[in-house]
Amino acid sequence: NAGVTQTPKFQVLKTGQSMTLQCAQDMNHNSMYWYRQDPGMGLRLIYYSASEGTTDKGEVPNGYNVSRLNKREFSLRLESAAPSQTSVYFCASSYLLGLTLGNQPQHFGDGTRLSIL
Amino acid sequence: AQTVTQSQPEMSVQEAETVTLSCTYDTSESDYYLFWYKQPPSRQMILVIRQEAYKQQNATENRFSVNFQKAAKSFSLKISDSQLGDAAMYFCAYRSDGGNTPLVFGKGTRLSVIA
Repeated sequence: NAGVTQTPKFQVLKTGQSMTLQCAQDMNHNSMYWYRQDPGMGLRLIYYSASEGTTDKGEVPNGYNVSRLNKREFSLRLESAAPSQTSVYFCASSYLLGLTLGNQPQHFGDGTRLSIL
Repeated sequence: AQTVTQSQPEMSVQEAETVTLSCTYDTSESDYYLFWYKQPPSRQMILVIRQEAYKQQNATENRFSVNFQKAAKSFSLKISDSQLGDAAMYFCAYRSDGGNTPLVFGKGTRLSVIA
């Protein structure tokens, strides 16, 4: 099972360049998420998509845009990369079965290490 | 907004011994879910254990167990018979009930296992 696939795994950008991080899941999950992980900060939510056709801001959305292309794919775009966006980015997905089943865990991709010079 | 606090940035344990990682959270909700995730050097996020707030019984998964104290808003992870493969970052996470809300993570505890 592929699970959640992120591409690329590593990327180096120059300040001001744009880039799209790709994420795809093959588990028929409704919801998808983008997090960033910085040293000493844990994982912080950038954007999420509760279902196909919807997106919502998380804790740290500034400087990012997202697109829920279809049920499988959820991309994260940096329009003008800044050094402060150097981080490890994780995509995750989960399956909402009902309002009382929030205990469905999130499945994570392996992360994208992004460095902005 | 909910917050999750892990007060121990680093912990160490001797192989075969027991270690407890602390987690506290702040919420005004009565129904929610709590998780512990493990992140080894490979960067994968691996679900270790989960707890539903409405359940009084503490969750267990093999060598991993939790001490869930709802009134105190505490959710600690106990690892018994520690193994070298347990060395990793451990993240405590909170999720609201109702809708498909994202996880709120603590900042993590780095666990070292000493042979």
